[in-house]
Amino acid sequence: EVQLVESGGGLVQPGGSLRLSCAASGFTFRSYWMFWVRQAPGKGLVWVSEINSDGSSINYADSVKGRFTISRDNAKSTLFLQMNSLRVEDTAVYYCARGGQPAAFDYWGRGTLVTVSS
Amino acid sequence: QSALTQPPSASGSPGQSVTISCTGTSSDVGGYNYVSWYQQHPGKAPKLMIYEVTKRPSGVPDRFSGSKSGNTASLTVSGLQAEDEADYYCSSYGGSNNYVFGTGTKVTVL
Repeated sequence: EVQLVESGGGLVQPGGSLRLSCAASGFTFRSYWMFWVRQAPGKGLVWVSEINSDGSSINYADSVKGRFTISRDNAKSTLFLQMNSLRVEDTAVYYCARGGQPAAFDYWGRGTLVTVSS
Repeated sequence: QSALTQPPSASGSPGQSVTISCTGTSSDVGGYNYVSWYQQHPGKAPKLMIYEVTKRPSGVPDRFSGSKSGNTASLTVSGLQAEDEADYYCSSYGGSNNYVFGTGTKVTVL
């Protein structure tokens, strides 16, 4: 069974940093593109970042470019999102998702809440 | 890139059909056959229902179907059931290595 479990969320002040993790199991992690998608409270889904199977191709939404860094450890089947210079508008549930179908996210974790507030 | 436009709400009685539209531009929905649809129940993670405009992942009932015409994609839920009550989001590849989601539609089963 495919499982994605996010962790690392919490309350942080504006300008602060957090590192999210997503532990994957039930599939060959190193074979898949992986994604981060976020959802602000009561709002819609927003694509944040993607990374290819070996980490050599990475892309970001303009809203996080230069502040967030996606990475992966295929030996540990874990996806990361390093978030720096956090803003109030980054407050959201952050989901990791697997890219198991062309341009689609076929499995999602349950998400981890990041709250940026003073 | 702007979010794709969906109606805020849609509804139908059990057994009826409901269709949700997803309008983008020639740079996203109209430019690629990479439209997907997600179902999200309150407090839960999204679930993939349709990918590549019309394809259903295994386990998704054939009551769910997708289509596209020009810059507008659609999701139809036939034979509505109580468990179909949820939020639905479309998504499209937007070119230049980015993806855009729709504004979301709340489906109510009357």
